[in-house]
Amino acid sequence: NAGVTQTPKFQVLKTGQSMTLQCAQDMNHEYMSWYRQDPGMGLRLIHYSVGAGITDQGEVPNGYNVSRSTTEDFPLRLLSAAPSQTSVYFCASAPGDSSSPEQYFGPGTRLTVT
Amino acid sequence: SQKIEQNSEALNIQEGKTATLTCNYTNYSPAYLQWYRQDPGRGPVFLLLIRENEKEKRKERLKVTFDTTLKQSLFHITASQPADSATYLCAPGSGNTGKLIFGQGTTLQVKP
Repeated sequence: NAGVTQTPKFQVLKTGQSMTLQCAQDMNHEYMSWYRQDPGMGLRLIHYSVGAGITDQGEVPNGYNVSRSTTEDFPLRLLSAAPSQTSVYFCASAPGDSSSPEQYFGPGTRLTVT
Repeated sequence: SQKIEQNSEALNIQEGKTATLTCNYTNYSPAYLQWYRQDPGRGPVFLLLIRENEKEKRKERLKVTFDTTLKQSLFHITASQPADSATYLCAPGSGNTGKLIFGQGTTLQVKP
């Protein structure tokens, strides 16, 4: 199993550009989430999904869109990038089983918006 | 609002000693609390989960306690090694969704 994969690893955008951060998992997990990590702020939840076709907002959803058309994929879209979105983005998945709610994280995407 | 607090200052200890990290939470009654390890440039890795009805959980050199009265969890690494140097994150949670709230993490540095 590859686990949780994210692409790209690094990205530089200009203000106003759009892009999609890709996330895929091959563990057949029901739950997937997107976090951003900034110095001194810890991990903050952007959006999450409890299954294909179902998404919901987290703590900091503004400026980001998500969709979940398959169990495996959970892309994060930035419609009009802003410097405040410079951060490291992590995707995570969880089995959806109450006996094992731990999350599995991808390697992250480092995004810089100039 | 829910708040998770971990020591923001780095913890420096000598190899072989026990490291103790603290996680406090307010305005929250989690059903469980998870601990993760994060190395520089990498994603967090799950270490341990302790539930509200458990006082203590152990895994090899790791021990976690959970005091729902004090609203606090302690994470211990015994016989610490330089390879234990990393940032450790706590994350209280409820239910079986992917919706966790993370503390900002405590960086541990174990000196040989």
